[in-house]
Amino acid sequence: DGGITQSPKYLFRKEGQNVTLSCEQNLNHDAMYWYRQDPGQGLRLIYYSQIVNDFQKGDIAEGYSVSREKKESFPLTVTSAQKNPTAFYLCASSTGQGTPYGYTFGSGTRLTVV
Amino acid sequence: GDSVTQMEGPVTLSEEAFLTINCTYTATGYPSLFWYVQYPGEGLQLLLKATKADDKGSNKGFEATYRKETTSFHLEKGSVQVSDSAVYFCAPRGRDSSYKLIFGSGTRLLVRP
Repeated sequence: DGGITQSPKYLFRKEGQNVTLSCEQNLNHDAMYWYRQDPGQGLRLIYYSQIVNDFQKGDIAEGYSVSREKKESFPLTVTSAQKNPTAFYLCASSTGQGTPYGYTFGSGTRLTVV
Repeated sequence: GDSVTQMEGPVTLSEEAFLTINCTYTATGYPSLFWYVQYPGEGLQLLLKATKADDKGSNKGFEATYRKETTSFHLEKGSVQVSDSAVYFCAPRGRDSSYKLIFGSGTRLLVRP
């Protein structure tokens, strides 16, 4: 079955370390997105990519970086510059540019700074 | 750009009660409208959608009608179950947001036995 896979499900990081969250999809979707969700809060867009080798900053890109070298993959690196990285991170993908299409979400990665 | 406003939660109901979660949006043109559901510790799942005025999206007993005249997409269910306890997100997707989904703040629903 097609889907979107995020790994790991739980991740612990020491302060000052970079960490990379994986997101892979086999849906042949062109667009991919990264969101951050804090407890009891909505979703905030970090980065998105509408095509391979291209990506744009979202609303809260500072302290994060991404790459899109393959259509299937959109990894997110949380750098040491991110002051408060503990959160639930969600990856999503979507086909086409048109409005009738929704997003497919992964199951998320919960990052905790220790 | 596009925006969306959802009623604040938590919404607490007894099992078999009627549910309404209000959602209004701001957009030019004809955005598509979506409701997503998030169960504890999980990602979001598409619940239902509507792509043009007066369309009714439905799934698992939930319904929402695209009301362009009132720019609303309220979520309803006639009889909620404990298993419906989750967070519900309303999201328009339109030209003004470069075709990105714009998520509301989410409404937490708690259904008690």
